[in-house]
Amino acid sequence: AQKITQTQPGMFVQEKEAVTLDCTYDTSDPSYGLFWYKQPSSGEMIFLIYQGSYDQQNATEGRYSLNFQKARKSANLVISASQLGDSAMYFCAMALATYSGAGSYQLTFGKGTKLSVIP
Amino acid sequence: DTEVTQTPKHLVMGMTNKKSLKCEQHMGHRAMYWYKQKAKKPPELMFVYSYEKLSINESVPSRFSPECPNSSLLNLHLHALQPEDSALYLCASSPGGFRTDTQYFGPGTRLTVL
Repeated sequence: AQKITQTQPGMFVQEKEAVTLDCTYDTSDPSYGLFWYKQPSSGEMIFLIYQGSYDQQNATEGRYSLNFQKARKSANLVISASQLGDSAMYFCAMALATYSGAGSYQLTFGKGTKLSVIP
Repeated sequence: DTEVTQTPKHLVMGMTNKKSLKCEQHMGHRAMYWYKQKAKKPPELMFVYSYEKLSINESVPSRFSPECPNSSLLNLHLHALQPEDSALYLCASSPGGFRTDTQYFGPGTRLTVL
């Protein structure tokens, strides 16, 4: 069965420091996508970064980078130069293809990590 | 522009009421999703519409009824809900049905059932 594991329920980081949020996954499908989303207390899920299973290089988007280690089945999110506005819940998610109709895929989410940035 | 809008932002309803949640996107996306999220939990998929056809229904009770009138709009009709249905309801859309497609979420509707 497909599974996403985030083992850190909560993390603290000093402002301007870097932080790594862990994510491991389990799937037998060779084709999958990995996503990170940020959810502030307001509730909106904000897309941060994507990594495809066949991508050769680690994804980067501004201050966000994804440390993708395929053999270890891990996709850790690195946030550099943390800001107070980074305080939020962070979800790792995996997309798996479905064959249930006109073509769609399902996102499986981890339980999330609550990041608190300390001034 | 990656905006998905949802109305209303907050909704309080009684167990005998009928109400609807609305979701709209103008990005030309062909897949739209409804998720339910309880406090301190990850989102749970409820329904997927792909090219305006219902392609996934994750065994959701019939008191939740989705509708996709056109490729930009997605509704969730609510009837005879229970207090345990109180949650954040999130709508999302993606360009199509590929694993590389990012799902973009709306701000959600916070539903309280009394």
